[in-house]
Amino acid sequence: KAGVTQTPRYLIKTRGQQVTLSCSPISGHRSVSWYQQTPGQGLQFLFEYFSETQRNKGNFPGRFSGRQFSNSRSEMNVSTLELGDSALYLCASSFGSSGTDTQYFGPGTRLTVL
Amino acid sequence: KQEVTQIPAALSVPEGENLVLNCSFTDSAIYNLQWFRQDPGKGLTSLLLIQSSQREQTSGRLNASLDKSSGRSTLYIAASQPGDSATYLCAVEPRSGAGSYQLTFGKGTKLSVIP
Repeated sequence: KAGVTQTPRYLIKTRGQQVTLSCSPISGHRSVSWYQQTPGQGLQFLFEYFSETQRNKGNFPGRFSGRQFSNSRSEMNVSTLELGDSALYLCASSFGSSGTDTQYFGPGTRLTVL
Repeated sequence: KQEVTQIPAALSVPEGENLVLNCSFTDSAIYNLQWFRQDPGKGLTSLLLIQSSQREQTSGRLNASLDKSSGRSTLYIAASQPGDSATYLCAVEPRSGAGSYQLTFGKGTKLSVIP
């Protein structure tokens, strides 16, 4: 079955712009999580959605937001981009039950802010 | 706050050698621990998931153990191959209201297997 897909794979933006990233989970998965990966901080949790509801949110400024649609596809938005937002953004999908679920990650979106 | 540490940060071994990667976490209240591999510029591939009630999991040449009370996990790779070269990450899912439904990751161990 198809894996987690993320679009676009690469993005170049300038400071002050906004960006929207998309994630399509594995069929049947209802949970989508987003992570930011940078060389200095490693992988950091952004937020998690299940059945269109945000269940948990990491320690990121309000410029980072997300949503999930009824078909479980998810988008994240970053407004007023800063240089420090340059990173690999990864999404992961699962069935959504704590404790037993394996997280399946997509290939990521590489965002470069100039 | 849960913290996950992986030592060493990098490891280079000759092909065929057995090796162990280490992961430690500060809070034993976890649902599970997962090991992932990441190839350069790519996403994460899940290797093994150990639930908090389990002690180990095996998949092919990989064996992961979990000692929740001491806050430690190891990933054992038998008969290493050049194709095993990647960064290995461990992550825990905290068992708490604020920490549920998220993974806390270590910084990873970059493994190089020399032919």
